[in-house]
Amino acid sequence: GGIITQTPKFLIGQEGQKLTLKCQQNFNHDTMYWYRQDSGKGLRLIYYSITENDLQKGDLSEGYDASREKKSSFSLTVTSAQKNEMAVFLCASSILGDTQYFGPGTRLLVL
Amino acid sequence: GDSVTQTEGLVTLTKGLPVMLNCTYQTTYSPFLFWYVQHLNEAPKLLLKSSTDNKRTEHQGFYATLHKSSSSFHLQKSSVQLSDSALYFCALSGGTGGYKVVFGSGTRLLVSP
Repeated sequence: GGIITQTPKFLIGQEGQKLTLKCQQNFNHDTMYWYRQDSGKGLRLIYYSITENDLQKGDLSEGYDASREKKSSFSLTVTSAQKNEMAVFLCASSILGDTQYFGPGTRLLVL
Repeated sequence: GDSVTQTEGLVTLTKGLPVMLNCTYQTTYSPFLFWYVQHLNEAPKLLLKSSTDNKRTEHQGFYATLHKSSSSFHLQKSSVQLSDSALYFCALSGGTGGYKVVFGSGTRLLVSP
């Protein structure tokens, strides 16, 4: 088995701040994903990466940057946090497009 | 592009009754279809998946059959339990977006005693 670790678990930021979320997986999966989930709602794809150093934009990429410098890690940056923004950011990994394994999430609150 | 439609936002049922959650999709390729379940304050996890036409797949009492002729992958269970209360997502991969996974909007299932 494997595990996905997301840091931090909780992130409180200020309006306009640049915030970075990190994701690590030890499944040795090639493909990694970042999703945003607003309270009780669906998953919206922000970025995904098919392999190391690859980046593909999802439907919600505006306002975010991503980085995949190693196979095991995938970072997401909120380039300018929006006031009163509140969401959970979920990282996932998979073997290509097969079953996704999700991390526990990072909960973001912007004051 | 590809899309997944889940028509019910909320389904409320009494324990012991059967349930069917609808999922239809659009793609010009031959995709993988998935059902993920997300319990409160937890991460989504796979419930079941299929890429084989007309073959029933089952897990933990839930079952679904991929019907490519109608582009459907409905989730069913014959008798729901209180612990089945959760958010259920239908998802597709291997379509025109390649390894990009497309999720439906989700159906919340609430089971009462």
